Amino acid sequence: GAVVSQHPSWVICKSGTSVKIECRSLDFQATTMFWYRQFPKQSLMLMATSNEGSKATYEQGVEKDKFLINHASLTLSTLTVTSAHPEDSSFYICSARDLKGTKNIQYFGAGTRLSVL
Amino acid sequence: GQNIDQPTEMTATEGAIVQINCTYQTSGFNGLFWYQQHAGEAPTFLSYNVLDGLEEKGRFSSFLSRSKGYSYLLLKELQMKDSASYLCAVKNQGGKLIFGQGTELSVKP
Repeated sequence: GAVVSQHPSWVICKSGTSVKIECRSLDFQATTMFWYRQFPKQSLMLMATSNEGSKATYEQGVEKDKFLINHASLTLSTLTVTSAHPEDSSFYICSARDLKGTKNIQYFGAGTRLSVL
Repeated sequence: GQNIDQPTEMTATEGAIVQINCTYQTSGFNGLFWYQQHAGEAPTFLSYNVLDGLEEKGRFSSFLSRSKGYSYLLLKELQMKDSASYLCAVKNQGGKLIFGQGTELSVKP
């Protein structure tokens, strides 16, 4: 299957700082990427849909000024957690949709574990 | 609302067969996906169903009944490495993947 690279895999930061997470589709172009959040033993919750060259679409309850998304190219989307607080500690996973074929499969990055002290 | 239900956890024995069920109610239907996720890792794609029936891929098979809003993932000849969380996800009419809570499968020797 296609490869999605997510970096960093693990980050610890102090409360009040900002953290940037990168998501790259390595062997396909992705006009649409997705950002999810996952709490332990819970499902993936969609935070936002990232569209190349335009503004991201945020799910209800997700603060767009808190979670800044930029999708500047067909292979890169970034999520910046601004002024992070301990409650933002979570596992963040990005996903990119491969438009080749009819299945439009979403491939996932390895995830970023964020710990805010 | 949108709802996807699957059992929280299951246990099976190495070499056996296990069936993980998933029922769904979503705003529209554009396909059902099964993913495998090991702890702390990314979900990996297993199967896709959009039409009723069974899709077989090696030791894994997935079944769909759209009229019943039901799917199952069948794992044969279980191996220890199959211990993982299995996620059922439905693509709704808006093109978004809606995930179930995942089924934690433990394979015992």
